[in-house]
Amino acid sequence: DAGVTQSPTHLIKTRGQQVTLRCSPKSGHDTVSWYQQALGQGPQFIFQYYEEEERQRGNFPDRFSGHQFPNYSSELNVNALLLGDSALYLCASSPPSGGADAIDTQYFGPGTRLTVL
Amino acid sequence: AQTVTQSQPEMSVQEAETVTLSCTYDTSESNYYLFWYKQPPSRQMILVIRQEAYKQQNATENRFSVNFQKAAKSFSLKISDSQLGDTAMYFCAFPNTGNQFYFGTGTSLTVIP
Repeated sequence: DAGVTQSPTHLIKTRGQQVTLRCSPKSGHDTVSWYQQALGQGPQFIFQYYEEEERQRGNFPDRFSGHQFPNYSSELNVNALLLGDSALYLCASSPPSGGADAIDTQYFGPGTRLTVL
Repeated sequence: AQTVTQSQPEMSVQEAETVTLSCTYDTSESNYYLFWYKQPPSRQMILVIRQEAYKQQNATENRFSVNFQKAAKSFSLKISDSQLGDTAMYFCAFPNTGNQFYFGTGTSLTVIP
């Protein structure tokens, strides 16, 4: 049973560039959440996708956008990169639930380490 | 918004000993879930244990158990018979009703041989 996978593992970009990170959820999962984890900090919620729509969003600027595909995989796009965007980006998936208010365990991928120079 | 506080940035324990990691949270909800995740140097965030607030019994998973004090809003993790592979960052997490997880700042645990 494949777990959550993310690509690429590492990425180096320069300020002002754009980046796309990819995530494939655990088999049978339909909801994908993205988190940003700065060095020495806990993960911070960026947004969550369900049925190809953004269902929830954390306190992140519009430079952060995403997409979910019919096969439930997801992309995170960041435009106009800043030095402060350097972080580990984690994708988490969760199984089908009883609705938007249901609490489900999130299973995390290995993350993508983004470095902005 | 929910808040999660881990007041122990670093801890160490001798191999085979027991250690307890602390977590407090703040919420106005009556029914909720709490999680502990482990993040080893490999970076993969791994689920350790989950507690449902309406359950009186504390959750247990092999060597890992929780001490859930709902009135005090406290959710500590006890690791028994510590092993070298337990060395990792440990995060307490609290999801809102939309399944948006709030994480603490983590506790770095080192198991000493």
